[in-house]
Amino acid sequence: NAGVMQNPRHLVRRRGQEARLRCSPMKGHSHVYWYRQLPEEGLKFMVYLQKENIIDESGMPKERFSAEFPKEGPSILRIQQVVRGDSAAYFCASSETLHRGEQYFGPGTRLTVT
Amino acid sequence: GQSLEQPSEVTAVEGAIVQINCTYQTSGFYGLSWYQQHDGGAPTFLSYNALDGLEETGRFSSFLSRSDSYGYLLLQELQMKDSASYFCAVRNRNSGNTPLVFGKGTRLSVIA
Repeated sequence: NAGVMQNPRHLVRRRGQEARLRCSPMKGHSHVYWYRQLPEEGLKFMVYLQKENIIDESGMPKERFSAEFPKEGPSILRIQQVVRGDSAAYFCASSETLHRGEQYFGPGTRLTVT
Repeated sequence: GQSLEQPSEVTAVEGAIVQINCTYQTSGFYGLSWYQQHDGGAPTFLSYNALDGLEETGRFSSFLSRSDSYGYLLLQELQMKDSASYFCAVRNRNSGNTPLVFGKGTRLSVIA
């Protein structure tokens, strides 16, 4: 049973470009979460999705950031017109249910904006 | 909102026991989770406490006191590979579908 998959593992973008981060949850998991982590800091919740629905996007900036989890295919976190401050590790996690505090994380995408 | 406090750094000797504390403030509460993250790696789920008391899984144990809004992670027979960051996380009962809120993490260094 494959774990949570994320790609790319490393992504370099110039300021103003778009970044697309992909996440495939564990098989059987319908809850997907995106987190951002800066060096030496904790995980900041960004958005929670279920298939075709955004359940909670309270941690995601209103501008330039968007997320989706289509009926078919991976979840996508999209950052438009990237700025240097967007450089971070972006982790995707999935879970079978919401009620337990157990989430399975992917290896992350390290985004560097030059 | 929610907030979690945990020490930023802890150092312990190989073979010893170390306790990492976590206090939280939240209106309503489901449970306390613990995650481990090695440098450059992904967070890995360690344990979850919904009820008061101690949960043991091998060398790791986790404790929760809901009345004190406090929990800890206990690591026994420390090994060098335990050097990592450890995060506590809570889910707020009153936040509906909002998932986990993480503390800033405790960096554990195991020395010989």
